[in-house]
Amino acid sequence: DAGITQSPRHKVTETGTPVTLRCHQTENHRYMYWYRQDPGHGLRLIHYSYGVKDTDKGEVSDGYSVSRSKTEDFLLTLESATSSQTSVYFCAIGTSLEVYEQYFGPGTRLTVT
Amino acid sequence: QKEVEQDPGPLSVPEGAIVSLNCTYSNSAFQYFMWYRQYSRKGPELLMYTYSSGNKEDGRFTAQVDKSSKYISLFIRDSQPSDSATYLCAARGVFGQGTRLTINP
Repeated sequence: DAGITQSPRHKVTETGTPVTLRCHQTENHRYMYWYRQDPGHGLRLIHYSYGVKDTDKGEVSDGYSVSRSKTEDFLLTLESATSSQTSVYFCAIGTSLEVYEQYFGPGTRLTVT
Repeated sequence: QKEVEQDPGPLSVPEGAIVSLNCTYSNSAFQYFMWYRQYSRKGPELLMYTYSSGNKEDGRFTAQVDKSSKYISLFIRDSQPSDSATYLCAARGVFGQGTRLTINP
């Protein structure tokens, strides 16, 4: 998975609790992304980062926040988890916003009960 | 309308067949077009990408873009059971829904 790890790989949490997912890369790529993947919707962009402390919203950012304090780490936080946020979350990295090739991590399967 | 549309299938073909996977897009500004393969419970894996119009070949895989009709295609020759996966097209980080492909031995 191109030097990308995600943790945890599986998590079950209760509605209303905060959750943080971590993405770690060893490729020193500038761009990092968080997607969620749901049946019938495919992959949808939540947030992305174009450098340390530089982030922007994607298509489905409501209820999510991100932080990037180091090049190699990109955190996704669900401030107060809801059942609609049950999904598989993928982190991706890339080198260009022109070509936009992306390399994905193994995913985190999150269940909110 | 989503910017990238893809028939989710499923598509089932016999081993050795030529497979054609297709997407359409609506944003004329898209220049690079990606194809990813995703095995069950794994992350998407970049297969190949093409720039603007034209073809690109990589082994048994050929990617084709027709900008005049905003149509993207991926052809798989001599398909193998190991090609069974979901194939996703994408442009500028916008993904199609993915087509689930099964190659039957």
